[in-house]
Parts: sequence; structure tokens; C-alpha cells
Amino acid sequence: NAGVTQTPKFQVLKTGQSMTLQCAQDMNHNSMYWYRQDPGMGLRLIYYSASEGTTDKGEVPNGYNVSRLNKREFSLRLESAAPSQTSVYFCASSPVRGLAGELFFGEGSRLTVL
Amino acid sequence: QQQVKQSPQSLIVQKGGIPIINCAYENTAFDYFPWYQQFPGKGPALLIAIRPDVSEKKEGRFTISFNKSAKQFSLHIMDSQPGDSATYFCAARGQTGANNLFFGTGTRLTVIP
Repeated sequence: NAGVTQTPKFQVLKTGQSMTLQCAQDMNHNSMYWYRQDPGMGLRLIYYSASEGTTDKGEVPNGYNVSRLNKREFSLRLESAAPSQTSVYFCASSPVRGLAGELFFGEGSRLTVL
Repeated sequence: QQQVKQSPQSLIVQKGGIPIINCAYENTAFDYFPWYQQFPGKGPALLIAIRPDVSEKKEGRFTISFNKSAKQFSLHIMDSQPGDSATYFCAARGQTGANNLFFGTGTRLTVIP
């Protein structure tokens, strides 16, 4: 029972490099989310996808893009990484479309941008 | 603007103590208040949740107290154990849209043996 799987778990980038964080869920959930977690700032929503085929900006979308590849997969792309994007990134999914009360999180991807 | 304000930022208690984490909100349209528990190196996981039509909910050693008039809610951990050491997030959900869950900033709890 994998739940929400994120890859990679750790990544070090140089400023200006690009990368994609992958996320897949096997719970047949409709909604998926990308958060970043920084000390003292809690969980901040970057982008979300209420259902397959739709994506929307969250609180901190600048510098990121997303793709909802299918119902299972939701990727987060950094086109030109900046040190301010050093963070721990969490993917999450929710079973009920449009009601993000119960979220299931992956284990996180720790990104360092030098 | 922080939709949900959480305090304290960190908390240290002795084993057996009762740590209390507090959260406050302004939006009276919030209709669901979950708490998430996060262990180091892991993602947050739903711990317990309450709806505003009840004042208290207990699950094992974890209790949510909810004060609708004061727009405050809190998490109490009875007979705390070193295994409860984690970061706790409160959250509040609005009634519409997929982007409707607002998290507090988290409380790092350490339970000393």
C-alpha cells in the first residue's frame, strides 16, 4: 500500500538549473497538491489540481510549473532554480474533489539550491 | 495574512505531562478543523479532526477542544510519551473550492523521558 510516492527524496541543484519533482498516488484520489515547508512558515500551497485536467495556483506559485499527467501523477517543475527555493516539498492527495479536509502526504523531497 | 494562527512554536514537556497547542482563526465560514502530526523525515498525517458543531473530540490520548464563540481550538495530549515528539499542525477548511485548507505554522513538541 504505497499511498503517495515522491521522487527524488533528496536533490542538490545549482542556481539556474532545472528539475522536476515527481508524485504519484495509488488511492484513486481526485485532487492533488504541492506544498513547500520552511521553518517557522508551516505548509504553503504552491499549486493544486482539483481533478484530472485542471491545475490552479496556490499561495506561492512563482518560479514553479505543474503538470497533472493523469489521475495518478502530478509533477512540479522548477525551470530556473533559485536559492529561495531551497525547501522540503510535499505532494499530497485528497479523495474528495474540491474538499481538501483530509490530505494524504508523501514523505517529502528535500531540495537544496546552491 | 495567516488564516490560522498557531502557538507556541515549540514546546518541551516531561513524559506524562499534558502539552497544549492552541490555534485561532477569523473566518467563520471554516467548517472542519483537522490536526496533522509530522515525524522527522516524514510527511504530515491526519491525527484528529473536529467540526464546529461539537466542543470536544477525543481519540485515545489526543483531545481537541473547540470554542466556536472565541474562534479558537486546541490540541491536548494526555499522558504524553517520547513517541509523541513531532511537529503538529492545526488547519481549517473553508466550504468551497479545492484550495480551501489553511495550515497553522506548526508546533514542534519534544517529550523528555
